[in-house]
Amino acid sequence: DAGVIQSPRHEVTEMGQEVTLRCKPISGHNSLFWYRQTMMRGLELLIYFNNNVPIDDSGMPEDRFSAKMPNASFSTLKIQPSEPRDSAVYFCASSSGGGYGYTFGSGTRLTVV
Amino acid sequence: TQLLEQSPQFLSIQEGENLTVYCNSSSVFSSLQWYRQEPGEGPVLLVTVVTGGEVKKLKRLTFQFGDARKDSSLHITAAQPGDTGLYLCAGSNYGGSQGNLIFGKGTKLSVKP
Repeated sequence: DAGVIQSPRHEVTEMGQEVTLRCKPISGHNSLFWYRQTMMRGLELLIYFNNNVPIDDSGMPEDRFSAKMPNASFSTLKIQPSEPRDSAVYFCASSSGGGYGYTFGSGTRLTVV
Repeated sequence: TQLLEQSPQFLSIQEGENLTVYCNSSSVFSSLQWYRQEPGEGPVLLVTVVTGGEVKKLKRLTFQFGDARKDSSLHITAAQPGDTGLYLCAGSNYGGSQGNLIFGKGTKLSVKP
């Protein structure tokens, strides 16, 4: 398995633009997580899905953020409109669930100027 | 809200030295995991500890879960430059939402040759 695949690896966009981050989890994993990492706040859980259903989105900062998982092999995180304070590294992770370890993707480094 | 406090936040040592990093909480966890993250990559799972008092060894790394399952430590013997990275602990409660891990902010380790 190629692991969790995220795209793009780097994204630079202007304030106000829409940004879409993509994730392909490991085949057979039924849980998918979106995290944001910054120096100040560390890894923050934004939202997670179980069997493609959003379970907890309490970490989504505000209505500008949305996430979808249309099928077991694909998820997106969208920011519209983007703001400079959204600049961070965004990670997607997948898991078999039940407290087993997560497999993380390599992340998307987002810079909003 | 469950929190995991990691210490020290930063650690810079010479090759060959020993070190211990700590992960503490006021909450009980069903299991605790340690991850290592290298620059530009996502965290990678090192170990999962489940039983209070459990000790696991991974080559020069020794992981211990506290008897009360509220804390954990990671000891590295004869550190090498390849050990450099961000060490994250993460706690899980199976009784809660399935597989939702809570991460500490990490210890950033630098091992100089």
